[in-house]
Amino acid sequence: SQKIEQNSEALNIQEGKTATLTCNYTNYSPAYLQWYRQDPGRGPVFLLLIRENEKEKRKERLKVTFDTTLKQSLFHITASQPADSATYLCALDRTGGSYIPTFGRGTSLIVHP
Amino acid sequence: DAMVIQNPRYQVTQFGKPVTLSCSQTLNHNVMYWYQQKSSQAPKLLFHYYDKDFNNEADTPDNFQSRRPNTSFCFLDIRSPGLGDAAMYLCATSRVAPGANVLTFGAGSRLTVL
Repeated sequence: SQKIEQNSEALNIQEGKTATLTCNYTNYSPAYLQWYRQDPGRGPVFLLLIRENEKEKRKERLKVTFDTTLKQSLFHITASQPADSATYLCALDRTGGSYIPTFGRGTSLIVHP
Repeated sequence: DAMVIQNPRYQVTQFGKPVTLSCSQTLNHNVMYWYQQKSSQAPKLLFHYYDKDFNNEADTPDNFQSRRPNTSFCFLDIRSPGLGDAAMYLCATSRVAPGANVLTFGAGSRLTVL
């Protein structure tokens, strides 16, 4: 069966450090992968999308990598700030080329001042 | 600003008492989705409309219904809420593009069932 795995344990880091979150998947052949940020009691907010033929995508302090061989995406936040504390969800299209994204449960990031 | 608005933000109902949640959008997106999210879990797709076409997920209980009277509005009806239906309900919209489908979410409606 299809699975999207994100670490259920919160990631605690110090301000200024780089946070790295992992999204692993099985039995998917996604055409693209997305990362969203979700604050408590709010809806997710889109951050970045990376396509299957792209290895890396950057946006300001954010960087996403996508390894279709390892079936893994890494999400990095450099120079992290307490305001980056949130849950980060990855999402994959249901099957290659499907427009329906399926979400992971997310990983909570806590940045300590 | 173009956005997705959900009402109410918080809804308390009694076991078995019908509930309607609403979603409106000013983005003119052709697809509207309803997700259910329970604490520390992934958002789970209940159904979606692609234009006027309704698409139900196979495991969505019959207790959940939806209406999309026009492009801008979509409703989620829970006919007889049970304790297990307490969750955050998220409305999202998108304009499907080749090779990408980015969702814009509303702030969510938190449902409590007593």
